[in-house]
Amino acid sequence: AQSVTQLDSHVSVSEGTPVLLRCNYSSSYSPSLFWYVQHPNKGLQLLLKYTSAATLVKGINGFEAEFKKSETSFHLTKPSAHMSDAAEYFCVVSDRPGGYQKVTFGIGTKLQVIP
Amino acid sequence: GAVVSQHPSWVICKSGTSVKIECRSLDFQATTMFWYRQFPKQSLMLMATSNEGSKATYEQGVEKDKFLINHASLTLSTLTVTSAHPEDSSFYICSARGPSLNTEAFFGQGTRLTVV
Repeated sequence: AQSVTQLDSHVSVSEGTPVLLRCNYSSSYSPSLFWYVQHPNKGLQLLLKYTSAATLVKGINGFEAEFKKSETSFHLTKPSAHMSDAAEYFCVVSDRPGGYQKVTFGIGTKLQVIP
Repeated sequence: GAVVSQHPSWVICKSGTSVKIECRSLDFQATTMFWYRQFPKQSLMLMATSNEGSKATYEQGVEKDKFLINHASLTLSTLTVTSAHPEDSSFYICSARGPSLNTEAFFGQGTRLTVV
C-alpha cells in the first residue's frame, strides 16, 4: 500500500531559525519521493526529489531532505528560514505497482515564518 | 525546469454550464498528464491519469461522465467539467510528465473554478 503522512499540518518558525517539516511514507515498491511548495493560489513548484540515488537530497532555495529507509521518513529541512518560505509544502510518494505509476500527496504542512 | 501552462487561471460559470480547462506542455512531450482537485485547506486529490492517445484512467469516486478528459496530443490535455454545480467549485491542477520512468511531473499554475 502507498501512503504519505505529514505529521504537522502547521509549523511556525521565526525568521532565521531552522525549519523541519516531517514526512513519513509507506510503499511496497522502491519509491520516488518529492517535496513540492505551493504559494497561495499558485501551482506547485518542485523543491527536491529522491529517486534511489544519494539519500541526502539538496533542492532549491536552501532546502534539503534525507531519505531514511529504516525510518520510512523523508523530512524536509532548511538551516535558516526566510519570510519568502511561508507557503504550503507537500510531501509526495510515487511508485509503480504493476507498472502503473501511482502518486500520493500528503495532506500538506503550512509553514508560517514570523519576522 | 519544463513549463506547463494551464488556462484559464480562474473562471466563474453558471450552474448547468460546462467549463473546459486546458493544460499544455510548452517545451516537452507530455506522454502522461494528471488532473488533480484541491479543496480548501486540503491536499491534492488525483482525479485521473491520461496517456496520450488513450482513454483516461479515473480514480475511484470520480465521475468520468462529469469530468471529461481528452489527451489528443503530446502537448495538450483538457478537462471539461460538464453540467457544473456549486459543489464542483474547487482548484484544479494539472501536471505533465515525459516518457522516461521516474521523471518528475511538472505542474500547471492551477485553475480556480467557481460555479454560481
